[in-house]
Amino acid sequence: EIVLTQSPATLSLSPGERVTLSCRASQSVNSYLAWYQQKPGQAPRLLIYDASNRATGIPARFSGSGSGTDFTLTISSLEPEDFAVYYCQQRRSWPLTFGGGTKVEIK
Amino acid sequence: EVQLLESGGGLVQPGGSLRLSCAASGFTFNTYAMSWVRQAPGKGLEWVSAISGSGGSTYYADSVKGRLTISRDNSKNTLYLQMNSLRAEDTAVYYCAKFTSQVDAPSGWFDPWGQGTLVTVSS
Repeated sequence: EIVLTQSPATLSLSPGERVTLSCRASQSVNSYLAWYQQKPGQAPRLLIYDASNRATGIPARFSGSGSGTDFTLTISSLEPEDFAVYYCQQRRSWPLTFGGGTKVEIK
Repeated sequence: EVQLLESGGGLVQPGGSLRLSCAASGFTFNTYAMSWVRQAPGKGLEWVSAISGSGGSTYYADSVKGRLTISRDNSKNTLYLQMNSLRAEDTAVYYCAKFTSQVDAPSGWFDPWGQGTLVTVSS
């Protein structure tokens, strides 16, 4: 099973700040990695797929990078609606696995 | 617009059974693989099971293998999760999700997700 480790667990930031979230895989997933955003009481939403492609309707301030075992989700300038939990997920091999999540909270 | 609507959650005793349903609309259901993902209270996401568009292939997490069974009725555009021998650790919100790739086998990413249905296993 491929283990995804996200860091940090929590980030306390202010609107307008730049955010960098990390996801590290226990073995290579090539570019088979996605990022999801989840707000309280809501279902997750696909943000980035195949490591660096924005899903439909996702603002340009969200970007993804990386390949192999190290991946990054960047939010160039935090908007109030971006405070949420972010999860990475791999589909390189079964079972499909998620990282433990990073909570981005208001400072 | 793609919509996924889960139902069937509730309170069940340990060892009991429950069947979840996910009614799909807004896309050609039988051409997409589907999946169930769960989230225990206050915890992260855990993939549970997936099924091909035709229903001929199924996939399970080790934690549920032999107890949970995924199926689909393409004539009714509905996905199911039969849950048997339930344990306290199965308590979670269960989401159904559509795979993004329009191929029979599970391929692509989870998009969109339903709103979820809560399953509570407790005596």
